[in-house]
Amino acid sequence: GENVEQHPSTLSVQEGDSAVIKCTYSDSASNYFPWYKQELGKGPQLIIDIRSNVGEKKDQRIAVTLNKTAKHFSLHITETQPEDSAVYFCAASKTGQLTFGSGTQLTVLP
Amino acid sequence: ETGVTQSPTHLIKTRGQQVTLRCSSQSGHNTVSWYQQALGQGPQFIFQYYREEENGRGNFPPRFSGLQFPNYSSELNVNALELDDSALYLCASSLTGRINSPLHFGNGTRLTVT
Repeated sequence: GENVEQHPSTLSVQEGDSAVIKCTYSDSASNYFPWYKQELGKGPQLIIDIRSNVGEKKDQRIAVTLNKTAKHFSLHITETQPEDSAVYFCAASKTGQLTFGSGTQLTVLP
Repeated sequence: ETGVTQSPTHLIKTRGQQVTLRCSSQSGHNTVSWYQQALGQGPQFIFQYYREEENGRGNFPPRFSGLQFPNYSSELNVNALELDDSALYLCASSLTGRINSPLHFGNGTRLTVT
């Protein structure tokens, strides 16, 4: 089955700096890659997703890049703010059943 | 637009007991998926329901079962609870007819098995 690895497990940045979280996947047939943000006591919230026919997607301060050949995809957050502090999960899917990474605890220091 | 709602929010059960968790899908969504999230880990896929039938299952034993009702709400049932079943159980809904339609999660039910 699919295996998704996520790095780093923790990330601290200064407010205003950029944050990058990286994921790799094992199943070359996976074609959908969402990113979720999970705040304490809440369920995961979809923040951006990308499909395998696209190499990059951007939404305001958030962007995702996909390298199908290397089976890598990354989340980029620019101009980080304290409210960006949360756990971020990447996921991969080919059938609608998501396989999640282990999460990255992002802390934005004021 | 009403989001995904789950009940109860917290639950404490004893090993060997049975539990039922409930989920109402987001308005307009008729596919429901259930995930288990252990502390400090990413969610793991349990199963998905579409048109009241199981439409895919992860690596979970048969004591994990589910139902989907005509109004698209869903239940997750777990029999013979084990200590390792302690986790956050997440329900997610999505639009039908489109593979890899974005999943929208509820806030989960925190189950503690003692």
